[in-house]
Amino acid sequence: DTGVSQDPRHKITKRGQNVTFRCDPISEHNRLYWYRQTLGQGPEFLTYFQNEAQLEKSRLLSDRFSAERPKGSFSTLEIQRTEQGDSAMYLCASSHSDRSSYEQYFGPGTRLTVT
Amino acid sequence: AQSVTQPDIHITVSEGASLELRCNYSYGATPYLFWYVQSPGQGLQLLLKYFSGDTLVQGIKGFEAEFKRSQSSFNLRKPSVHWSDAAEYFCAVGGSGNTGKLIFGQGTTLQVKP
Repeated sequence: DTGVSQDPRHKITKRGQNVTFRCDPISEHNRLYWYRQTLGQGPEFLTYFQNEAQLEKSRLLSDRFSAERPKGSFSTLEIQRTEQGDSAMYLCASSHSDRSSYEQYFGPGTRLTVT
Repeated sequence: AQSVTQPDIHITVSEGASLELRCNYSYGATPYLFWYVQSPGQGLQLLLKYFSGDTLVQGIKGFEAEFKRSQSSFNLRKPSVHWSDAAEYFCAVGGSGNTGKLIFGQGTTLQVKP
């Protein structure tokens, strides 16, 4: 069990550019979650997948954000036309889809800085 | 709507002293409750969880938490704090349905004095 991994760990981009982050969950976990954490705040739910199906999206996830999990394994989160307000830590977590779906294992996060 | 409040943004304790971090939640049914810890540059690590049953739950690293339905609280405790416990602590509640969506408090930063 290698845990949840995220890539890159840090990303600096200029406003207006597109960025894509990757998350590799724990291999036997069928649920994958994305959260966003801004400075001094707790993580906020963005979206989640069960296998390859995206089952819920938060209102926080504007049209500039898109997430995929094409084969039910890794997931990508893309932000188009980045804005300074997108600067945050993007966290990925995975779990099983039973009661323990709430028992999530988090990756180290991708810190995005938009200049 | 579900919510979590951590009243203390920052707490400082001396090494060896006891610790209690407060967490209050708002949820209509029996909640699933969690405490996570986040060290600088690290992801969140699950300390302990409450689903049902015994209201006093034991976690890793010597932490425990007590669920009090009458007070809508789930406070985290440790009898003797170590310098390595300095980190940010988040309380979370499981959202409705079986989505697995977690709703987090804003966190409490723990500083440990030598």
